[in-house]
Amino acid sequence: EAQVTQNPRYLITVTGKKLTVTCSQNMNHEYMSWYRQDPGLGLRQIYYSMNVEVTDKGDVPEGYKVSRKEKRNFPLILESPSPNQTSLYFCASSSTRDSHNYGYTFGSGTRLTVV
Amino acid sequence: EDKVVQSPLSLVVHEGDTVTLNCSYEVTNFRSLLWYKQEKKAPTFLFMLTSSGIEKKSGRLSSILDKKELFSILNITATQTGDSAVYLCAVEAYAGNMLTFGGGTRLMVKP
Repeated sequence: EAQVTQNPRYLITVTGKKLTVTCSQNMNHEYMSWYRQDPGLGLRQIYYSMNVEVTDKGDVPEGYKVSRKEKRNFPLILESPSPNQTSLYFCASSSTRDSHNYGYTFGSGTRLTVV
Repeated sequence: EDKVVQSPLSLVVHEGDTVTLNCSYEVTNFRSLLWYKQEKKAPTFLFMLTSSGIEKKSGRLSSILDKKELFSILNITATQTGDSAVYLCAVEAYAGNMLTFGGGTRLMVKP
């Protein structure tokens, strides 16, 4: 089944403790992206990647890092999480050739709480 | 800065009603506009619109784009309780395939 898999689904952590949220897609998509969703603010893009080893900042990149060493994986790294990073996070992927037909596929989300 | 504004913020209707959701945008290097439905999980893709005036339809849902006036509408006819969700509009720019999302419209359909 074609899908975007995020892990974990839920995470509660303490301020300053490094964490990684994994994202993997099995559709051979070139494009991958991370969003955070907060009440009243909609979905905001954190980082995106056009292909392997190509990443760029979105609208709200501060406090986050990403890497794209392989096409299928796009982990989101919080080196020193803070409470204002408590949010619902989504990973998405798309084929840069077929996005006009299929849009973007989203993962199931990761609800992160930083205390 | 790219901007997407959706209205209304929320809407409560009864089953069988028709609803129209609005999305206006300002974006540099517009590529497409997308509509998503979000229930208590990941957004699911509804439509992608790239050309003005061409209606896209899927069952009771339809959408159209006006690139001159920079807006899109999503229509749902004969609403059902299963249509209750947050509907998200997003605009894609050519630069980096960036998606800018609106704040969403929360639709509640009462029996």
